Amino acid sequence: QKEVEQNSGPLSVPEGAIASLNCTYSDRGSQSFFWYRQYSGKSPELIMFIYSNGDKEDGRFTAQLNKASQYVSLLIRDSQPSDSATYLCALRGGGATNKLIFGTGTLLAVQP
Amino acid sequence: EAGVAQSPRYKIIEKRQSVAFWCNPISGHATLYWYQQILGQGPKLLIQFQNNGVVDDSQLPKDRFSAERLKGVDSTLKIQPAKLEDSAVYLCASSLRGDSRAFFGQGTRLTVV
Repeated sequence: QKEVEQNSGPLSVPEGAIASLNCTYSDRGSQSFFWYRQYSGKSPELIMFIYSNGDKEDGRFTAQLNKASQYVSLLIRDSQPSDSATYLCALRGGGATNKLIFGTGTLLAVQP
Repeated sequence: EAGVAQSPRYKIIEKRQSVAFWCNPISGHATLYWYQQILGQGPKLLIQFQNNGVVDDSQLPKDRFSAERLKGVDSTLKIQPAKLEDSAVYLCASSLRGDSRAFFGQGTRLTVV
């Protein structure tokens, strides 16, 4: 089982819709979770982080964490064509190293 | 505040040659990461430093890859000798501490021919 799993997509949504991106993880000791956005040919850019169970909202983005079910999700409201990118889920593994590991990413395509 | 600096941006080498990448983290950031990202895949952690000590290098191919962060600030990643499968983007990131948010540099795109 991979440490961080994401559906590679592409996930296609119409402009103005809600895009829902999901991520599951295997290490129950993981404490902190991150969503990065990566445009083609660019480096990852941090857009959200969440440490506690529940929802965290920032503008059009909402991160949701459920540690019991070992999943984290990202909702993008009012999706825009400029949101088209690969979204990477990342987490810090449990234990002393706190190593930061990534999923394979989900490609989001917002159709005008 | 200056971001994570990496150089060079692009490098093309022949297989069996050696190559080195440089990274300067955000000022004051104690934790530095090197990732390898192959096209279509997520970043793979190669090595994570805390100050000048190695926290994790479990996925670093130590027969050909080496990395150092001698003074706990900037870092160098070296590949010797390079193989075709090393063609990838090498990303450096840093965070204030081992448990805080990480920020990436622009990356170095390596092509091995």
